[in-house]
Amino acid sequence: EVQLVESGGGLVQPGRSLRLSCTASGFTFGDYAMTWVRQAPGKGLEWVGFIRSKTYGGTTEYAASVKGRFTTSRDDSKSIAYLQMNSLKTEDTAVYYCTRGYYYGNTPFDYWGQGTLVTVSS
Amino acid sequence: QTVVTQEPSLTVSPGGTVTLTCASSTGAVTSGYYANWFQQKPGQAPRALIYSTSNKHSWTPARFSGSLLGGKAALTLSGVQPEDEAEYYCLLYSGGAQVFGGGTRLTVL
Repeated sequence: EVQLVESGGGLVQPGRSLRLSCTASGFTFGDYAMTWVRQAPGKGLEWVGFIRSKTYGGTTEYAASVKGRFTTSRDDSKSIAYLQMNSLKTEDTAVYYCTRGYYYGNTPFDYWGQGTLVTVSS
Repeated sequence: QTVVTQEPSLTVSPGGTVTLTCASSTGAVTSGYYANWFQQKPGQAPRALIYSTSNKHSWTPARFSGSLLGGKAALTLSGVQPEDEAEYYCLLYSGGAQVFGGGTRLTVL
């Protein structure tokens, strides 16, 4: 059974850093790109970024709102994707989801984690 | 930065048909935008319905279909069921990045 479990969320002060993890199981993690999506309280979905599989270079893309502050990486040996969030702002407060795949390929975004809440506040 | 626009809200009667659209500020949406559609109900993670404009996931009910319509991506629900009441989001690929629309709240009444 495919599972994605996010962790690492919590309360953090503006300007500080936080690292989220997305732990995968039930599939060959290294074969898939991984995408991060967030949702501010009561708001819509916002695409954050993705990391391609090593087969496609493991390259990354980010939304303009987080570019230069957020970095996604992966450890295929542990089946974990990471989202390193630096210089956090209050507007980064959201539930952060990881999802399997990206725009290209078969059945993208077919599995999602339950989300982890990040609250940026002083 | 690309802005993706959806109808904020739509209402449909049970058994009826409704079309949700997804427009890009960069121009006409084509197959190269790899439009995806998602359904989200309160308190739940999004669920993927359609990918690459018109392809269904294995769990997508037959009453959902995706297409290109008048320069926009479209999601059509035919024979709407009460359980289809939800928020629907489109996601477009544009120049390396991806952008969600603001979502359409579909009410079944």
